[in-house]
Amino acid sequence: EDQVTRSPEALRLQEGESSSLNCSYTVSGLRGLFWYRQDPGKGPEFLFTLYSAGEEKEKERLKATLTKKESFLHITAPKPEDSATYLCAVQPINTGTASKLTFGTGTRLQVTL
Amino acid sequence: DGGITQSPKYLFRKEGQNVTLSCEQNLNHDAMYWYRQDPGQGLRLIYYSQIVNDFQKGDIAEGYSVSREKKESFPLTVTSAQKNPTAFYLCASRARDRPSYEQYFGPGTRLTVT
Repeated sequence: EDQVTRSPEALRLQEGESSSLNCSYTVSGLRGLFWYRQDPGKGPEFLFTLYSAGEEKEKERLKATLTKKESFLHITAPKPEDSATYLCAVQPINTGTASKLTFGTGTRLQVTL
Repeated sequence: DGGITQSPKYLFRKEGQNVTLSCEQNLNHDAMYWYRQDPGQGLRLIYYSQIVNDFQKGDIAEGYSVSREKKESFPLTVTSAQKNPTAFYLCASRARDRPSYEQYFGPGTRLTVT
């Protein structure tokens, strides 16, 4: 069974304090790994897609990396507006064209002044 | 602006009533999805549709029904058979002709059944 596990469950950082979120996954074959940001009461906002081990993508203060077993979302010098829940999802190869995703529960990030 | 709209944002219903949640997209995406989000759980797939007039059950389809009569629209009906309907419902869509496979989400509908 495909599984996605995130850690930590919650993370509290001070502004400027860099850190990383982890997403461990178990799939029979990975087509893609996706990172989303979700603000309270809103729909997830797409951030990154990673396809193969060694791949990295960046957007502003965020950088996502991928290995064969996990992905990291590195947050450099975070600001209070980075506070949100960050979700990780995987698309197994065996879902074909349906692009069915398996989501983890997400990490709640709070950045304080 | 292209995007996905869901209405209403909040919905309240009495137990035993069916209710339909709206999802419309103007992204020209072929595939559309319905998810349910509960506290402490990841998003769970209810139904999905890859083309008009065709849809498939997801992991938790019991008590729900959908239709896909138009490419832009994918309404979800929560029936009285759904045991725990109170949840945050999210609609998503995806372009099938893109090399990447990411799904884009609407703002969600929070359904409360009492």
